Amino acid sequence: QSALTQPASVSGSPGQSITISCTGTSSDVGGYNYVSWYQQHPGKAPKLMIYEVSNRPSGVPDRFSGSKSGNTASLTISGLQAEDEADYYCSSYTSSSTWVFGGGTKLTVL
Amino acid sequence: QVQLVQSGAEVKKPGASVKVSCKASGYTFTSYYMHWVRQAPGQGLEWMGIINPSGGSTSYAQKFQGRVTMTRDTSTSTVYMELSSLRSEDTAVYYCARLGLVVNAFDIWGQGTMVTVSS
Repeated sequence: QSALTQPASVSGSPGQSITISCTGTSSDVGGYNYVSWYQQHPGKAPKLMIYEVSNRPSGVPDRFSGSKSGNTASLTISGLQAEDEADYYCSSYTSSSTWVFGGGTKLTVL
Repeated sequence: QVQLVQSGAEVKKPGASVKVSCKASGYTFTSYYMHWVRQAPGQGLEWMGIINPSGGSTSYAQKFQGRVTMTRDTSTSTVYMELSSLRSEDTAVYYCARLGLVVNAFDIWGQGTMVTVSS
């Protein structure tokens, strides 16, 4: 199972919006609505930000949103804040009954 | 509160085995599947496998088949991940992560356990 494809890095200024893409195949992202997104600060464990494509867990700001079109899922962060600077990973359930992660995207807040 | 607490850092020699523990608290242990995910230094997350704490059934990523064993002890609400025939490429932080019931995602993570493989 190959990793999902994410851009290595994205950046934006405070207050701006950014979008991170996550591209898979019809056997994972395109085939299931079990796409999730995780935020990871240096030296910390990942934190769930979005589940089932577009749902936010309690406590996650509504600045974070998710969507999917075909084999590509996206995470959008609006109103960027300094504390959003982190690594972001997407994940999907697969047709092999396994789970796969994206390679990760480093978000820099300028 | 709901939490997963993992065992401490390990240093192992190539060819050895390591067993990492993950103790759950604050919820019904047998109701949630548990996954193991690892992260090599400076690298991304890699899914290793899953265990059903209720019946003990497991499923492993093909990459780790034959080298990984996941078990659980319901009396202590603890899951274990043992990786054998260690090589330098296995140097990583190993996380346990709970799969949510309502949310089909990893909603609770352990703090991670650093495993270093070095001669």
